Amino acid sequence: KAGVTQTPRYLIKTRGQQVTLSCSPISGHRSVSWYQQTPGQGLQFLFEYFSETQRNKGNFPGRFSGRQFSNSRSEMNVSTLELGDSALYLCASSSGLVRTDTQYFGPGTRLTVL
Amino acid sequence: SQQGEEDPQALSIQEGENATMNCSYKTSINNLQWYRQNSGRGLVHLILIRSNEREKHSGRLRVTLDTSKKSSSLLITASRAADTASYFCATGLAGGTSYGKLTFGQGTILTVHP
Repeated sequence: KAGVTQTPRYLIKTRGQQVTLSCSPISGHRSVSWYQQTPGQGLQFLFEYFSETQRNKGNFPGRFSGRQFSNSRSEMNVSTLELGDSALYLCASSSGLVRTDTQYFGPGTRLTVL
Repeated sequence: SQQGEEDPQALSIQEGENATMNCSYKTSINNLQWYRQNSGRGLVHLILIRSNEREKHSGRLRVTLDTSKKSSSLLITASRAADTASYFCATGLAGGTSYGKLTFGQGTILTVHP
């Protein structure tokens, strides 16, 4: 099976712009979770989508949003970018059917905000 | 916010030695997972241990879980230079809307010298 893919791998944006990141889960997986990784805050959970519905959400401002399509692919959007949004954004896929579920991560999108 | 603390923050050993990393967490969990990350890339899943399990093995990896002490340890035996990476523990919380959400520790940076 192909692994989790994320596009693009690298992005450079300026403050105030918006950005959309994409994640394609492992075939058959219906859950996609998004995480932000920064040197200061570490790995933090953004939100999780299952069958096109947001099922869980972390403590991030409303500028961070996401959606999931019927084929389980997910997108994450950040509006009005701030310098502090520079981070590695990781998505993970799982079956989503049980709590004890291994999450498989993609390679990440490195976002730099200038 | 971080659920767990990892100890040590950095570990430097020689090839062939064993490496032990510890993780403590604060609230009741459903499962605990260990991941490896090389140089800011995606996370690679190593092992998952459920809250009703005490020990699991996978190749050169041994994970223990003590729910009474809210702690886990990862042992890598006969380490290799290729094991050089950051290692993270991540907890899946018990109950509530815990689907798809992992809470990560700050990680241990392991360096294995040839």
